[in-house]
Amino acid sequence: GENVEQHPSTLSVQEGDSAVIKCTYSDSASNYFPWYKQELGKRPQLIIDIRSNVGEKKDQRIAVTLNKTAKHFSLHITETQPEDSAVYFCAASIWTGTASKLTFGTGTRLQVTL
Amino acid sequence: KAGVTQTPRYLIKTRGQQVTLSCSPISGHRSVSWYQQTPGQGLQFLFEYFSETQRNKGNFPGRFSGRQFSNSRSEMNVSTLELGDSALYLCASSTGQGSNSPLHFGNGTRLTVT
Repeated sequence: GENVEQHPSTLSVQEGDSAVIKCTYSDSASNYFPWYKQELGKRPQLIIDIRSNVGEKKDQRIAVTLNKTAKHFSLHITETQPEDSAVYFCAASIWTGTASKLTFGTGTRLQVTL
Repeated sequence: KAGVTQTPRYLIKTRGQQVTLSCSPISGHRSVSWYQQTPGQGLQFLFEYFSETQRNKGNFPGRFSGRQFSNSRSEMNVSTLELGDSALYLCASSTGQGSNSPLHFGNGTRLTVT
């Protein structure tokens, strides 16, 4: 299969709380897992990525964890701020038989309320 | 360094017509990927070009085609337009393979088919 499933589809948190978004993938050969943030009316932008040879990566308030055995990875945002409100997409590289392609999840709309 | 440039920003076409979208990657980036974005479906992979060769193709009908020129600029063509082709078409460039490298997205071309 070539699926990447992402949950939840919407997430509302209060400012200062943490937010967690989870994704599962089907291809055990997947080795690259980026996360993109898309603000309303803007282009998607990479916020963090992880490769299969590491289990966790952090960048200030953002962290990504990868469980290769269970084939899932998660985005963690701590101390959320209103500017974190956006749609977040996970993605995984999927082998299609002749080459790999990046397959995206369907997105999580994060709303940070005051 | 200039970002990824897509033209035109907006297009309105009628069913049965064809359309050509253009993408200029970041200077030095040799890979260009195309994605279709619709509400609820997220980002669907169309194809990736590297050094003028199509590296991979998504699950779209043959009406969707593309090419890449020697200067890495890419075009995408959709023939015999259908109402369901209405979407935001995003182009992204990367230094390496699009499936394993950070993608830099353009602002997209919003196509409306009436």
